[in-house]
Amino acid sequence: SQKIEQNSEALNIQEGKTATLTCNYTNYSPAYLQWYRQDPGRGPVFLLLIRENEKEKRKERLKVTFDTTLKQSLFHITASQPADSATYLCAYSGGYNKLIFGAGTRLAVHP
Amino acid sequence: NAGVTQTPKFRILKIGQSMTLQCTQDMNHNYMYWYRQDPGMGLKLIYYSVGAGITDKGEVPNGYNVSRSTTEDFPLRLELAAPSQTSVYFCASKGTTQSSYEQYFGPGTRLTVT
Repeated sequence: SQKIEQNSEALNIQEGKTATLTCNYTNYSPAYLQWYRQDPGRGPVFLLLIRENEKEKRKERLKVTFDTTLKQSLFHITASQPADSATYLCAYSGGYNKLIFGAGTRLAVHP
Repeated sequence: NAGVTQTPKFRILKIGQSMTLQCTQDMNHNYMYWYRQDPGMGLKLIYYSVGAGITDKGEVPNGYNVSRSTTEDFPLRLELAAPSQTSVYFCASKGTTQSSYEQYFGPGTRLTVT
């Protein structure tokens, strides 16, 4: 069955640097992938969606790429800030937009 | 709009007890979902609904039941609570239009079964 894998180790970076988070999937390419942000004690918040036929999507300081050859999506935050510290979840959509989530990667941006 | 609201925020149950987790959305969304999140894990889908009167199982439905009598409400029922159901439960909703993919999540209910 399809699986979504994210690096479970926390990512620590310095303020101002670019954070890059990885999401790998097995088997078939999903029609689209979604990225969510989750702060401690809160529900996930939608950030970006990228379709299978889109190489790249941008929103302000965020950029997502989708490489169907590598079966991978990369999530970038440029000019990172301490306020970007959170857990970032990758998810693919099954029928009726039933989301299958990865375990998430915790990002810590240090001043 | 309040968005998606969930009650209670926290609850401690004894083994074998039952309870209902409430979820309400005021965005007139047809699609609603229940997920659970265990520590350090991603969210897993328990049940979902595509409209009032229509529900279906997700990835981990055992030990749970749902109903959807109105568009706004999607309660999750736990019967005979077990320690394995200790988790954080999130309700979410989504619009029906072809361009709406974003799911809106509630703040979650933290449940402990002892």
